[in-house]
Amino acid sequence: NAGVTQTPKFRVLKTGQSMTLLCAQDMNHEYMYWYRQDPGMGLRLIHYSVGEGTTAKGEVPDGYNVSRLKKQNFLLGLESAAPSQTSVYFCASSYGAGKYQPQHFGDGTRLSIL
Amino acid sequence: RKEVEQDPGPFNVPEGATVAFNCTYSNSASQSFFWYRQDCRKEPKLLMSVYSSGNEDGRFTAQLNRASQYISLLIRDSKLSDSATYLCVVNEQDSNYQLIWGAGTKLIIKP
Repeated sequence: NAGVTQTPKFRVLKTGQSMTLLCAQDMNHEYMYWYRQDPGMGLRLIHYSVGEGTTAKGEVPDGYNVSRLKKQNFLLGLESAAPSQTSVYFCASSYGAGKYQPQHFGDGTRLSIL
Repeated sequence: RKEVEQDPGPFNVPEGATVAFNCTYSNSASQSFFWYRQDCRKEPKLLMSVYSSGNEDGRFTAQLNRASQYISLLIRDSKLSDSATYLCVVNEQDSNYQLIWGAGTKLIIKP
């Protein structure tokens, strides 16, 4: 009964380092999303995917790249980490994106950039 | 950016009381509405969808007012376990069904 699994849960990086966050879902959902959550702000969409092999930019895509090579996995990459990317990152998935299609979340990755 | 606005709170409420909070949205074309709950340092979890006619789930009632562009959440007989941040979420048809999230209203239930 895993649902959406994110790895790692915590990470500290130095400015300029790169890393990849992994999201895996076992619900056969078509749609997957990466968000960031900062204090006092709503979740902001970084990138999303409407199916295997497709990705699209969200509200705050700069500094991030994504890939969806397999339906169940959605990877978020930071090419050159910056302190402004310190945040909590959530992955989510949904069956579709129409009315009343809720999103299911992983338990987050807390990322600090020094 | 289309906005979804919420009173950040915190709302400090005694156990057993009724509490209500609203959320306003700016895009009149918005199609779907949700309330999510987020516990401290945890992921958001769907509390309930908000239907045009309003809907109830146990102690929770959600209402939609399209004319004034707000949704509301009412919690009756509040429990200590209701303490959390409640996130208002709007699905806008003209943005590829991307969800727009409010920053949340923090609710603290006191014994």
